[in-house]
Amino acid sequence: GIQVEQSPPDLILQEGANSTLRCNFSDSVNNLQWFHQNPWGQLINLFYIPSGTKQNGRLSATTVATERYSLLYISSSQTTDSGVYFCAVVGNFGNEKLTFGTGTRLTIIP
Amino acid sequence: DTAVSQTPKYLVTQMGNDKSIKCEQNLGHDTMYWYKQDSKKFLKIMFSYNNKELIINETVPNRFSPKSPDKAHLNLHINSLELGDSAVYFCASSHHRARVTFGSGTRLTVV
Repeated sequence: GIQVEQSPPDLILQEGANSTLRCNFSDSVNNLQWFHQNPWGQLINLFYIPSGTKQNGRLSATTVATERYSLLYISSSQTTDSGVYFCAVVGNFGNEKLTFGTGTRLTIIP
Repeated sequence: DTAVSQTPKYLVTQMGNDKSIKCEQNLGHDTMYWYKQDSKKFLKIMFSYNNKELIINETVPNRFSPKSPDKAHLNLHINSLELGDSAVYFCASSHHRARVTFGSGTRLTVV
């Protein structure tokens, strides 16, 4: 099946800093999503972005499908951005299941 | 509120018991899922239903049985619970298998 790798696994930043999270995938995809799991365990869908660039406030994401990666940018980090960020993809071949990466744990220090 | 809601939020039970987790979505989505998140936070799909039809059934023990009475509901029944079943179970839904919305999770602890 398709492999999804996220980097870095852990990131600790001061409030106000910017960060870039990366998601690499091993095969062509028709579906890519970014999620934030907050410290209370809720999974929030940030972006549905199989290709191109999207922005939502301080967050933006870019997927370069031909090169099999996606980037999530967080600007002017706030403590509420802490949590685990997951990338998930559906490969073009296979049974259409959404496969998750292992996540990036982001900790924002006040 | 439009959402995916699952109950109960917490479930503590003894080995060998049978339990159910219920899930409902009022988003008008046509596809529903069950995911399992283990202690290392890894998320893996268990089942997926599209318009009440099972379309994904991962390698899950047959003690786990999903039931979809209609497009808005997908329940998960677990027989003969084992210690290794302890995890957080998430229900989710999407429209045309696109953007996925998750419920708040059920933390199952088997003692």
